[in-house]
Amino acid sequence: AQTVTQSQPEMSVQEAETVTLSCTYDTSESDYYLFWYKQPPSRQMILVIRQEAYKQQNATENRFSVNFQKAAKSFSLKISDSQLGDAAMYFCAYSTNFGNEKLTFGTGTRLTIIP
Amino acid sequence: GAGVSQSPSNKVTEKGKDVELRCDPISGHTALYWYRQSLGQGLEFLIYFQGNSAPDKSGLPSDRFSAERTGGSVSTLTIQRTQQEDSAVYLCASSLQGVAYGYTFGSGTRLTVV
Repeated sequence: AQTVTQSQPEMSVQEAETVTLSCTYDTSESDYYLFWYKQPPSRQMILVIRQEAYKQQNATENRFSVNFQKAAKSFSLKISDSQLGDAAMYFCAYSTNFGNEKLTFGTGTRLTIIP
Repeated sequence: GAGVSQSPSNKVTEKGKDVELRCDPISGHTALYWYRQSLGQGLEFLIYFQGNSAPDKSGLPSDRFSAERTGGSVSTLTIQRTQQEDSAVYLCASSLQGVAYGYTFGSGTRLTVV
């Protein structure tokens, strides 16, 4: 079974600085998807960024980028120029690419932005 | 609608009572998912509906949990004889193109069993 591990329960960063959130996963599949979701206090999960495993290029969405290391099964999220609105829980998630529609989530990292 | 709508937003119920949680997905989204988020935990998959296919119920934790989706749109998650361990946030999501493109989540129902 696939597992997703986030080893940092809490992180903090100074406003305008850069922070990296870690995620590792375990799978025997070669083709899959990885995601980072943000959950603010409103509880609604918001997709931040996605990565297809067969693409070697790291995904980027504005201030958000990932460092995808397939051999190491590592998928970290880098947030540049941190803003107060980035404060939230961040969840790493995994999905296979073979009809199984389930997302497997890590336990999350609470990110605090220090003004 | 513009987003995934869940109701009620919060629900407090007595142990042993039945509860129904409602999810109204984005119009036209054929896939609908239910997840449970217990305090301090990640999201746990419960059930998945895709069009007219039989639902994937593999994540339902016990036979007290059931869900249906009427007319390919609104879904109801029912928990019978609630227990304190059922207390959690129940999140619904829908998708047009499948999980690979990410889901759109609702804001969830916080269920408290007292």
